[in-house]
Amino acid sequence: DAKTTQPPSMDCAEGRAANLPCNHSTISGNEYVYWYRQIHSQGPQYIIHGLKNNETNEMASLIITEDRKSSTLILPHATLRDTAVYYCIVREYSGGGADGLTFGKGTHLIIQP
Amino acid sequence: DVKVTQSSRYLVKRTGEKVFLECVQDMDHENMFWYRQDPGLGLRLIYFSYDVKMKEKGDIPEGYSVSREKKERFSLILESASTNQTSMYLCASSPRLGSQETQYFGPGTRLLVL
Repeated sequence: DAKTTQPPSMDCAEGRAANLPCNHSTISGNEYVYWYRQIHSQGPQYIIHGLKNNETNEMASLIITEDRKSSTLILPHATLRDTAVYYCIVREYSGGGADGLTFGKGTHLIIQP
Repeated sequence: DVKVTQSSRYLVKRTGEKVFLECVQDMDHENMFWYRQDPGLGLRLIYFSYDVKMKEKGDIPEGYSVSREKKERFSLILESASTNQTSMYLCASSPRLGSQETQYFGPGTRLLVL
């Protein structure tokens, strides 16, 4: 997805916080930032999304810069099971319609023991 | 917890066979989707449905059809399987309103067409 740029891979030590960056410099005012991840041989899994405020749920935190041109997904205490490809996407709220998702190449996060 | 299940994790079929891939979701979601995922090509939308008996073509509908007779079930049909339909098939569902269309995916079906 040309709307976002992510590093192709990152390493993180088990138990540490994993910080995954995403650039979306052309994001428009009504587009949300979504994060999904895909563990090898499984279906993608929704993680979190936000518009402009920082968000936190049981899986992760999402920090969006004030100008909304970039964001960071934070996994506070990474475990080996967090090894996956992480996808950052931006999309507009379609008012209840059904729209397909488009994933870019994502970041392959490897958690090291 | 949202659950999306797919009828098979792995499937091997022969060229020309008719193939049915079934997907069931238990969260009363209006929207359901079928994607295929191939290395280097990412996720591509085949068909989606926003209501019972309604269907819309996605980006790559050729060679596929779908059926949505009940709200919880969305079937993908390969009328005459071909080797270029060897792929990972992913089903997803989402509510129409209330959560900005977060999509929940099933575990995927790896289809090999010989």
